[in-house]
Amino acid sequence: GQSLEQPSEVTAVEGAIVQINCTYQTSGFYGLSWYQQHDGGAPTFLSYNALDGLEETGRFSSFLSRSDSYGYLLLQELQMKDSASYFCAVMNRDDKIIFGKGTRLHILP
Amino acid sequence: NAGVTQTPKFRILKIGQSMTLQCTQDMNHNYMYWYRQDPGMGLKLIYYSVGAGITDKGEVPNGYNVSRSTTEDFPLRLELAAPSQTSVYFCASSYSSSGNTIYFGEGSWLTVV
Repeated sequence: GQSLEQPSEVTAVEGAIVQINCTYQTSGFYGLSWYQQHDGGAPTFLSYNALDGLEETGRFSSFLSRSDSYGYLLLQELQMKDSASYFCAVMNRDDKIIFGKGTRLHILP
Repeated sequence: NAGVTQTPKFRILKIGQSMTLQCTQDMNHNYMYWYRQDPGMGLKLIYYSVGAGITDKGEVPNGYNVSRSTTEDFPLRLELAAPSQTSVYFCASSYSSSGNTIYFGEGSWLTVV
């Protein structure tokens, strides 16, 4: 089967850095994506990793280690608007895209 | 600049009723997906399609049916609605499944009473 594990909640302070981890178990792994979802809204794409290493997009970075079946999303210079849920999702060679249960990020002023 | 459009946005169904959630995209994407999201939970894949005429089951297909007669449209049919199908439904599309951005519709809030 397929499974993804990520923390249910993370709390950080405005201006700080936070890391959200994701471990996965799947067959036919192709890549790992991250999505942001604000309350009442639809998920929106943040980043994608197919190869090992770090991908940086502005304040957001994402890391993948295929050998460890592990990835993380790094958010820097946290802003109050970053309060949201963050989902990792695996892309598989069978064309399925499976999401984790999400991590709720709380940001304190 | 429509992207992925879902209708209806809100619907209340009685137990045993049937309905179709409509989804259309104007980006000429081959891949389309239906997810459901229960409160405070992640997205569960119901069905997906890699092109017109091709559909396949996801993680939670029971109680649902889909069709893909055109590239643009991917309706989701609920037969004999049950309270367990109360959820938010998201339709999504992408150019492929290997790394391209998935674009989501705004969601359809469905309550079965």
